[in-house]
Amino acid sequence: AQTIHQWPVAEIKAVGSPLSLGCTIKGKSSPNLYWYWQATGGTLQQLFYSITVGQVESVVQLNLSASRPKDDQFILSTEKLLLSHSGFYLCAWTALPNSDYTFGSGTRLLVI
Amino acid sequence: KTQVEQSPQSLVVRQGENCVLQCNYSVTPDNHLRWFKQDTGKGLVSLTVLVHENDKTSNGRYSATLDKDAKHSTLHITATLLDDTATYICVVGDRGSALGRLHFGAGTQLIVIP
Repeated sequence: AQTIHQWPVAEIKAVGSPLSLGCTIKGKSSPNLYWYWQATGGTLQQLFYSITVGQVESVVQLNLSASRPKDDQFILSTEKLLLSHSGFYLCAWTALPNSDYTFGSGTRLLVI
Repeated sequence: KTQVEQSPQSLVVRQGENCVLQCNYSVTPDNHLRWFKQDTGKGLVSLTVLVHENDKTSNGRYSATLDKDAKHSTLHITATLLDDTATYICVVGDRGSALGRLHFGAGTQLIVIP
């Protein structure tokens, strides 16, 4: 069975500090991977997607970057956090476009 | 401009009652439509995906319809349970490929009371 794991579960970080959020998928080779972001009380927005190792496409930047160093790993990061980065970050994968999207349990980020 | 509109914003029903959630969208092209359940502060759980014109799906107590001409979908929940309390999100995919983008509605907050 495939599993998706996000880390950390929650973070409180200072403005200007770096950030790295991780997402790992086990049990599925070459998944399509996605990062989403939801501001508190807001609507989910797609940030990045990746269909293969080393290839990441940006949908909405928000002064964040993403990388896919391994087939089963998707990393979201920034060198300098902004207050506006606070929110809920979700990683997801899908095998085929119209098959189910499976979401991780999310990372809640508070920037102070 | 919001491309996926959900109504009502929130809904309170008594356990055992049925409810209907609405989704209207303007996303073009509209390759597929999905309904997700999101418990507070948690990830999304897929309930159903609708692909074709006039699709109807059923997943236990959840059933959904899609009218692509009207760009409208409904999610029916029958015999609600307390555990159905959550936000239900309508999502429209604009392409049938990984390059496609998912457009999210703001969700309908459903509260089921005893």
